[in-house]
Amino acid sequence: DTGVSQDPRHKITKRGQNVTFRCDPISEHNRLYWYRQTLGQGPEFLTYFQNEAQLEKSRLLSDRFSAERPKGSFSTLEIQRTEQGDSAMYLCASSSWGGSYYEQYFGPGTRLTVT
Amino acid sequence: GNSVTQMEGPVTLSEEAFLTINCTYTATGYPSLFWYVQYPGEGLQLLLKATKADDKGSNKGFEATYRKETTSFHLEKGSVQVSDSAVYFCALVDTGNQFYFGTGTSLTVIP
Repeated sequence: DTGVSQDPRHKITKRGQNVTFRCDPISEHNRLYWYRQTLGQGPEFLTYFQNEAQLEKSRLLSDRFSAERPKGSFSTLEIQRTEQGDSAMYLCASSSWGGSYYEQYFGPGTRLTVT
Repeated sequence: GNSVTQMEGPVTLSEEAFLTINCTYTATGYPSLFWYVQYPGEGLQLLLKATKADDKGSNKGFEATYRKETTSFHLEKGSVQVSDSAVYFCALVDTGNQFYFGTGTSLTVIP
């Protein structure tokens, strides 16, 4: 078990370009979460999947954002027509049932800089 | 709505000093409470947890007690080390399994 991995670790893009991030969860975990973390803030929930089904989306997830988890394995988060306000760390976490809660394991994050 | 408020940093302590990072929460129902730690350049790691009132979570010398009457989950350690330097996040998960995080408290321990 190598933990949650994310690719790329850093992405610099120009405003208006599209970007896609990938998250590979821990293999037996059925839940996968995406968060956004800006400087000096805690992670903010964006969306989550149970297997391949996207069960909830935050109001932070504008129509420029889309996430997929084909076959319930890895997930991608795409941002279209990036804006400077999208600059942040994008975190992925995966989890499995841990009793009364889902214990989340986080990846190292993808840092996006929009110039 | 649900939320977590934690003490602002940064916090700077000398090695072997006592640490307290305050955390209070607002939630409906009976959330589970967590402390996560983020070391430089790494992802968030679960430090400790408590799932019901009066539970004490502990790990690596850190402790926190779930106080429902004061809606608090303060993190404490009796003697900090340089290796404890990190950002600490208080979090809760609600009955809908959605996580809410505080803004984080940066801790620097100097030798």
